[in-house]
Amino acid sequence: AQTVTQSQPEMSVQEAETVTLSCTYDTSESDYYLFWYKQPPSRQMILVIRQEAYKQQNATENRFSVNFQKAAKSFSLKISDSQLGDAAMYFCASLGDGGATNKLIFGTGTLLAVQP
Amino acid sequence: KAGVTQTPRYLIKTRGQQVTLSCSPISGHRSVSWYQQTPGQGLQFLFEYFSETQRNKGNFPGRFSGRQFSNSRSEMNVSTLELGDSALYLCASSPPGTGRDEQFFGPGTRLTVL
Repeated sequence: AQTVTQSQPEMSVQEAETVTLSCTYDTSESDYYLFWYKQPPSRQMILVIRQEAYKQQNATENRFSVNFQKAAKSFSLKISDSQLGDAAMYFCASLGDGGATNKLIFGTGTLLAVQP
Repeated sequence: KAGVTQTPRYLIKTRGQQVTLSCSPISGHRSVSWYQQTPGQGLQFLFEYFSETQRNKGNFPGRFSGRQFSNSRSEMNVSTLELGDSALYLCASSPPGTGRDEQFFGPGTRLTVL
């Protein structure tokens, strides 16, 4: 079974600084997908960034980038130039069943606070 | 394009009752997945429907069921409610295909069981 682990229940960062959220996963699939989702207080889940396992290059979306270490099964999220609007719960997730369905397996989340 | 909508947004029920939640996906999306979010268990996959067929199912008791209609709208039903069913229920839709596409989440239905 696939598992996703987020070992940091809470993190804090100063506005304009950089923060890295950690995630490790375990899968027996050779082809899989990893995601970071953001859930602000409104509870609306928003996709932040997606990584396809077969791609060597780390995904980047504006201020958000990942450090994907396939051998170590690590998938961390780096947020640069943090903004107050980045404060939210962040979930790491993997796509189960080799991508054949849309079943997402989520980690327990990291609550990010941004200090002004 | 309108986003994923879920109705109702809030619901209060008592133990033993049943409840039906509705999810309308983004126009053109054929896959709808349901998730339960609780403080204790986190986000857990309930089931996925694609073209009116259940494509995958999570590890939940048979009290949890769902269906999808020809217009891709989906409903989930929980019978004989228990206190532990209190949760935020999220649905997500994605375009035709597999999870390689982004899943778009609705705002959720907050269910409270008294």
